[in-house]
Amino acid sequence: DTGVSQDPRHKITKRGQNVTFRCDPISEHNRLYWYRQTLGQGPEFLTYFQNEAQLEKSRLLSDRFSAERPKGSFSTLEIQRTEQGDSAMYLCASSHALSTGELFFGEGSRLTVL
Amino acid sequence: KNEVEQSPQNLTAQEGEFITINCSYSVGISALHWLQQHPGGGIVSLFMLSSGKKKHGRLIATINIQEKHSSLHITASHPRDSAVYICAVVRGAGNQFYFGTGTSLTVIP
Repeated sequence: DTGVSQDPRHKITKRGQNVTFRCDPISEHNRLYWYRQTLGQGPEFLTYFQNEAQLEKSRLLSDRFSAERPKGSFSTLEIQRTEQGDSAMYLCASSHALSTGELFFGEGSRLTVL
Repeated sequence: KNEVEQSPQNLTAQEGEFITINCSYSVGISALHWLQQHPGGGIVSLFMLSSGKKKHGRLIATINIQEKHSSLHITASHPRDSAVYICAVVRGAGNQFYFGTGTSLTVIP
């Protein structure tokens, strides 16, 4: 296992289109997090899963955003009817619930909405 | 107001200089992390602290729980240390991470 992987690494889309990002966490990690990062800012929490259960969602996550982790392994983050303000780096991270909390990040998926 | 504040926001240093980056937080935490982010997005964990001090190579991290403050020090800085350094605190039942805005470090040869 080479770590957390995200796909695609870059996505350019037109306003109004739907986009989906995928995250494959480290295989034995049962916690998976999605963050959004804009230029010059630290990552902002969007949502997290423990196994397949989505346990918390940020108020940043409007109804255009939906995340799933159907089998408790990989996760998808979908943005419907994209807006220019959605342009950001979407970061996925994973950890093990029994660990003392080290978080392992993917390389991120950069979204540009034209 | 962000729960995690870092200073400075930007830092330029000459190679060999001793560097300090500060992090203050306003909430109760279970742990604090220092992270390094290189251009292109990848984030790696440098330290996790819940008390005291840790050292790894030229990097030293300290935390004062009573004062809600942590520092990251880099001794004998090198151009390859150029990156964004992010402080993150962990709190809540879900071990939620809350991030500072980062300190952009540039080390000039």
